[in-house]
Order: sequence, then structure tokens, then C-alpha cells
Amino acid sequence: GAGVSQTPSNKVTEKGKYVELRCDPISGHTALYWYRQSLGQGPEFLIYFQGTGAADDSGLPNDRFFAVRPEGSVSTLKIQRTERGDSAVYLCASSPTSGTAGELFFGEGSRLTVL
Amino acid sequence: GDSVTQMEGPVTLSEEAFLTINCTYTATGYPSLFWYVQYPGEGLQLLLKATKADDKGSNKGFEATYRKETTSFHLEKGSVQVSDSAVYFCALRTGGGNKLTFGTGTQLKVEL
Repeated sequence: GAGVSQTPSNKVTEKGKYVELRCDPISGHTALYWYRQSLGQGPEFLIYFQGTGAADDSGLPNDRFFAVRPEGSVSTLKIQRTERGDSAVYLCASSPTSGTAGELFFGEGSRLTVL
Repeated sequence: GDSVTQMEGPVTLSEEAFLTINCTYTATGYPSLFWYVQYPGEGLQLLLKATKADDKGSNKGFEATYRKETTSFHLEKGSVQVSDSAVYFCALRTGGGNKLTFGTGTQLKVEL
């Protein structure tokens, strides 16, 4: 079946603009995760959804970042008033249940560049 | 807090050479340990895992043993192939949490 799909694959924006990044998880996966990977670094946890609710958003760096998953499937990561430091690859992952955390299925990521 | 330290890359090897990528960790409690791999143009994928001390994870000829006494989870392969060229990430998860803590990744390049 299809893997985790992320759009756009690349996004270039100007400082101060608003950005939305979309993640379509593997069908039937109830758990969805967002990570951020800066150049030369490993992925860093942002937020985790179990179903429609954000079960853990402790990794969101500040209140400019917000994510939703209204129907328990597709998720959108929203970044307001973008800053140059937000430039990174944003990774989405899903898993069948939260109990299998660690066995995550990742998308290819959305590369965000803030000019 | 939890952290993972990996040997820096890039690592360049000839085909059929022996591979070791070092990984050590700091964690509260008893973590589960993972190796993820990212092939060019693809997303991260789980390579192998170990959930308790002395467990050995293995897959595709790669192995790693969970060493609690040295807090290590080194990745090894006896004979690498060009197709193993990728970035390898060591990661841990503590307790029943859902967050993975990743190392910075090690790029491996295998040449003919």
C-alpha cells in the first residue's frame, strides 16, 4: 500500500509568511508524529497525535507552531510568522498504534526554506 | 535528558569491507534502541531494534547488540555493498513514551 505522503516536498517562503505542511499517513495508522530535521542534525520530535487529539506537543518550539488532525487521518503543521531559523526538513511519521512507538513509518519530508 | 551520540561521518568503505558505526546513549530508565536508515531520496526506515539489555537486533546483514554496561548500540555489518550507501541514525525511546531521540546520523558511502 501507499506510504506516508507529505506535501509540498519543497517550500520556499519569505520571513514573516504563514506556511502549511500536509501529511497523509498510512491508511489505518492511528498514531501520527511530526519531527523537524535541521541540516546536519537528527530528527527532533515536535508533536504526536493519537487519533484526532494531540497527545504530546512538548516538542513544539513556540506558539508560532501548531498542528491539527481533525478527522484522525491527514494532519497539517502550521507555522505562523516564519523565521529563517525555521528552515529545516519537516518529517511526518505514522504507526499502527502508539504502543508500537519506535517502529515509525516516515515520509520523505517537506523541505522548508525561509528567506 | 536523553541523548544519543554517533560517530561522525562520512564513512567511506570499499565494497565487502567490515562496517562499524558507533552509538552511545544517555537515558533515564531502560530505553529501547533503534537503528534507522535513510537511503537517497527516501524516507527514514527502521533497520533494526533491541528492547532490553543483551538483545541483538539484526536485519539485512546488519547487527547491533544492546550493551547496558557500556550504554552502547554499535551497528555492524561483515561485508558492505554499494547499495548500503545511506545515512544511518541511532535512536532511543524510554519507557512507554512515544518520542524517539535521534543521533545526528552517520553517512556511509560504499565504493566499488
